Amino acid sequence: DGGITQSPKYLFRKEGQNVTLSCEQNLNHDAMYWYRQDPGQGLRLIYYSQIVNDFQKGDIAEGYSVSREKKESFPLTVTSAQKNPTAFYLCASSAASGNFEQYFGPGTRLTVT
Amino acid sequence: GESVGLHLPTLSVQEGDNSIINCAYSNSASDYFIWYKQESGKGPQFIIDIRSNMDKRQGQRVTVLLNKTVKHLSLQIAATQPGDSAVYFCAEKGINAGNMLTFGGGTRLMVKP
Repeated sequence: DGGITQSPKYLFRKEGQNVTLSCEQNLNHDAMYWYRQDPGQGLRLIYYSQIVNDFQKGDIAEGYSVSREKKESFPLTVTSAQKNPTAFYLCASSAASGNFEQYFGPGTRLTVT
Repeated sequence: GESVGLHLPTLSVQEGDNSIINCAYSNSASDYFIWYKQESGKGPQFIIDIRSNMDKRQGQRVTVLLNKTVKHLSLQIAATQPGDSAVYFCAEKGINAGNMLTFGGGTRLMVKP
């Protein structure tokens, strides 16, 4: 089955620790995205990547970092510099052009205490 | 900057009735619009999309209407079912935004049996 996967589904960390969220896609999509969603809120763009080895900051990149070493993978690291990291994190991918639909993963709920 | 927003944060309908979810957008240069459905704790799922050269597009039980004059987008769900209960997001793409989507805040649809 083609799709986009995120792991783990739930993640718990202590304050001050960095944590990396996984995102993998086998849709052969060039573009990948990370969004943050807070309860009862919409999606806010953290980082995006249009091509391997290149990525751009979104609206709320502070306290986060990403890498794009492979087309299939776009991991997100939530660093200790992120002031309020507890949230639901969504990864998405899309074709580079033509079809603008973004395909979403199931999400990772991160709780930092 | 330009933004996409929704009129109603919560919509409650009786099972079997039709639902209409509205979305206002401010970027007159947007050329693509998409509706997503998000069930609790899951990633958004594609429902239907429409390009700016169209006024209406129909899917299975869903219809999207685009009124470019007043910059308004709506999602109509026919014969609403309990399984339609979810949060619905609209998103738009600016004509010069590559493949980047801007998401609205979401509307929660509650279907009463």
